[in-house]
Amino acid sequence: DTEVTQTPKHLVMGMTNKKSLKCEQHMGHRAMYWYKQKAKKPPELMFVYSYEKLSINESVPSRFSPECPNSSLLNLHLHALQPEDSALYLCASSPGLAGVYEQYFGPGTRLTVT
Amino acid sequence: AQKVTQAQTEISVVEKEDVTLDCVYETRDTTYYLFWYKQPPSGELVFLIRRNSFDEQNEISGRYSWNFQKSTSSFNFTITASQVVDSAVYFCALSEPLTGGGNKLTFGTGTQLKVEL
Repeated sequence: DTEVTQTPKHLVMGMTNKKSLKCEQHMGHRAMYWYKQKAKKPPELMFVYSYEKLSINESVPSRFSPECPNSSLLNLHLHALQPEDSALYLCASSPGLAGVYEQYFGPGTRLTVT
Repeated sequence: AQKVTQAQTEISVVEKEDVTLDCVYETRDTTYYLFWYKQPPSGELVFLIRRNSFDEQNEISGRYSWNFQKSTSSFNFTITASQVVDSAVYFCALSEPLTGGGNKLTFGTGTQLKVEL
């Protein structure tokens, strides 16, 4: 099973709202990632968790707050977003072992900030 | 710094034509890994292939084939007898391992492939 699931599929939120994106994988992977993708652009890495610890934050604004409650789950908490934060948010996972392995991506959450 | 260039922004072909997507990369590492991903309109990135720098054998998987040439820093992707279902954005990516686990992908800008009847 190479499935990464993400909920919700679509999300519309106002600039004062608080919402969360959820990602789940059951492949036993120990590295999980959040990416942001704007239309007609490649995905941009936001955060990397390795063994449930935040290992990379690519200078992401604090209105995005990641959380890794356990090895299968990854959340992205959203607060006071701006319209320019509207994008496709992708979650991915990989084995997390030393070396380089393919990342498996979820279907994404399409976020619109009004 | 690592860099991936996909010079073809958009390619349109008629079904059953062969099509090659170009990828040129830059890295100072002697060991590196290259990937191709497919992103259909639904949005999910689908892993297609991983190739490490020590393995220069070309790979074929059904209608897909990959040509890795270290001498020209290229990792091109060919679809034989294209089908409408191949319509998608294709990303080439270069990867580096991260201390503590995981890896960081540097994506090219992607090539939009449109296959028409």
